[in-house]
Amino acid sequence: EVQLVETGGGLVQPGRSLKLSCVASGFTFNNYWMSWTRQAPGKGLEWVASITNSGGSTYYPDSVKGRFTISRDNAQNTLYLQMNSLRSEDTATYYCTRGGSEWGQGVMVTVSS
Amino acid sequence: DIVMTQGALPNPVPSGESASITCQSSKSLLHSNGKTYLNWYLQRPGQSPQLLIYWMSTRASGVSDRFSGSGSGTDFTLKISSVEAEDVGVYYCQQFLEYPLTFGSGTKLEIK
Repeated sequence: EVQLVETGGGLVQPGRSLKLSCVASGFTFNNYWMSWTRQAPGKGLEWVASITNSGGSTYYPDSVKGRFTISRDNAQNTLYLQMNSLRSEDTATYYCTRGGSEWGQGVMVTVSS
Repeated sequence: DIVMTQGALPNPVPSGESASITCQSSKSLLHSNGKTYLNWYLQRPGQSPQLLIYWMSTRASGVSDRFSGSGSGTDFTLKISSVEAEDVGVYYCQQFLEYPLTFGSGTKLEIK
């Protein structure tokens, strides 16, 4: 059974940093591109970042480019999202996804003073 | 960026009736390889999104055959035949033809 378990969320002040992790199991992690998608409270879905299976290429929307960094450790079956210079508009539930077909339970990030 | 526009449903939909959700893209999602790069998701209340349909019309594993996807390069429909209580939630379309990946704003389904 495929499982994606996100951790690392919480309350953080504007301008500060936070790093999310997603531990994957139940499939061969290094065979798949992985992504992060977020959902602000009561709002729709917004794609945040994607990374190729080797980690050699990454992709971001303009809203987070230069502030967020997606990375992975294939030896540890773990996906990461380093979030810097956080803003109130980054407040959301962050989901780790495998190609859109599998989603984690999500982790809440609240950016507030 | 490709803009995805979803239509609304005439909620609530009577149980057992069919429901069709529309989605329009600002650019054709039909690739030269013949595949259309559109996904449909259902997010039930309090849950993570679930993939229903990919490549516009292919049902994901374990998804009921009451769900079907169709369309052209820019206009798409998700049809739910004989809606049931478990179908309640918000439905999203998403294009994965190019970055940035973009979603529609969602269509809420309520059952009567």
